[in-house]
This record gives sequence, structure tokens and C-alpha cells, in this order.
Amino acid sequence: AQSVAQPEDQVNVAEGNPLTVKCTYSVSGNPYLFWYVQYPNRGLQFLLKYITGDNLVKGSYGFEAEFNKSQTSFHLKKPSALVSDSALYFCAVHGGYNKLIFGAGTRLAVHP
Amino acid sequence: SQTIHQWPATLVQPVGSPLSLECTVEGTSNPNLYWYRQAAGRGLQLLFYSVGIGQISSEVPQNLSASRPQDRQFILSSKKLLLSDSGFYLCAWKEGISGNTIYFGEGSWLTVV
Repeated sequence: AQSVAQPEDQVNVAEGNPLTVKCTYSVSGNPYLFWYVQYPNRGLQFLLKYITGDNLVKGSYGFEAEFNKSQTSFHLKKPSALVSDSALYFCAVHGGYNKLIFGAGTRLAVHP
Repeated sequence: SQTIHQWPATLVQPVGSPLSLECTVEGTSNPNLYWYRQAAGRGLQLLFYSVGIGQISSEVPQNLSASRPQDRQFILSSKKLLLSDSGFYLCAWKEGISGNTIYFGEGSWLTVV
């Protein structure tokens, strides 16, 4: 069965420093992988996706993610964090019949 | 461009009362539609999805039901709410055949008292 793991409950980073939010997956076949961001009391916003092609995917707000098939990972990265990046981040994988299976979420806190 | 609307944004209902949350999508045809619930500000659980009018798939047995009376309308209902139905409900959509990205509405907060 398809699954996604986000091993960190929270990530703390200083403003201006690079950030990484980790995600590993378990799927049969080729994965379709996604990152979403959720600000307080809001819906989820799509950030980026990997379907096929280049392993480094660029998305909204300066975020990027690297697909690593050998490590079954899809970590979210940003070179320089902003306080406004503080939010809840979800990794997801297509779970068959166009359904998304989500990780538990990682709370990112960027400190000034 | 496509937009998704979900209402009401906030709802406080007594135990045993009915529920109706509505969601509509504009700017697309034959979308896949989804209802998710988010409890305790974290995990997302898929409740229902629909690939067409009148076609509803339920992911988990529960006190809720869903209906799709029109192509771009998706309704989440309950006849009698339970305390455990409280949570943040999210409607979402995807291009029916060609799309691979699911887009979410702004959510509805339901508090059952």
C-alpha cells in the first residue's frame, strides 16, 4: 500500500538560513509526489509536484524539492527561509484512482 | 481560471442536528471532487470522492454522507451530528481525466456542541 512519512513533527530554522522538510514514500510503481502548504485556518495550497523528468522540481514561493528514487525521498527545500514561510507542510503521494495520501505534516517555524 | 468555493466557513451545531456543507467549482467540467477532514490541525483523512454526477465513493464508514447533484457541486451531509464530527472539512477538485493535481478550498470549521 502507498504511504508517506514525514519524520519531523516540527522544523525550526532561522530567517535567512536554508530549510529542508523531509518526506519519504512507499509506493508500487512510479510515484506522483506533491507538496502542499497550509497557513492557520486556511485550506491547503499546492506548492509543487514531481511526475516525471528532472529530479529537481521548482515550485511556488521559491521552494524546490528533490526526487531521489534510490532513497525513496522527496524533500522540500528553500535556500533562504522567510518568517512568512512559517506554516504546516504536507507531503502527499497519489494513492490510486486519483486519490492523495498525505503525510502527517511538518510544522515549519522560521525565527527572525 | 478555475476556482473552488466552500461554505459555510464556520459552523457551530448541536449534537443530533443535521449538517450540510456545500462546495462548488467554477471554470472546469467533469472534475473529480473530494471531501477531506482534518482533525487536530494535522492529519488529512479522505472521506468521499466523486468522479461524476451521482457517483460517490466512501473511504471510511461514518456518520456522514456525500452527494453530487450537479457536475460541479459536492455536498457533505449528516442527519444527526456527533461530537466526533467536529473538525476542519476541506473540499477539493482535480481535472477529471487529464489532471494530476488536486486543489483545495478554504475549508469549513465545524464544531459540534
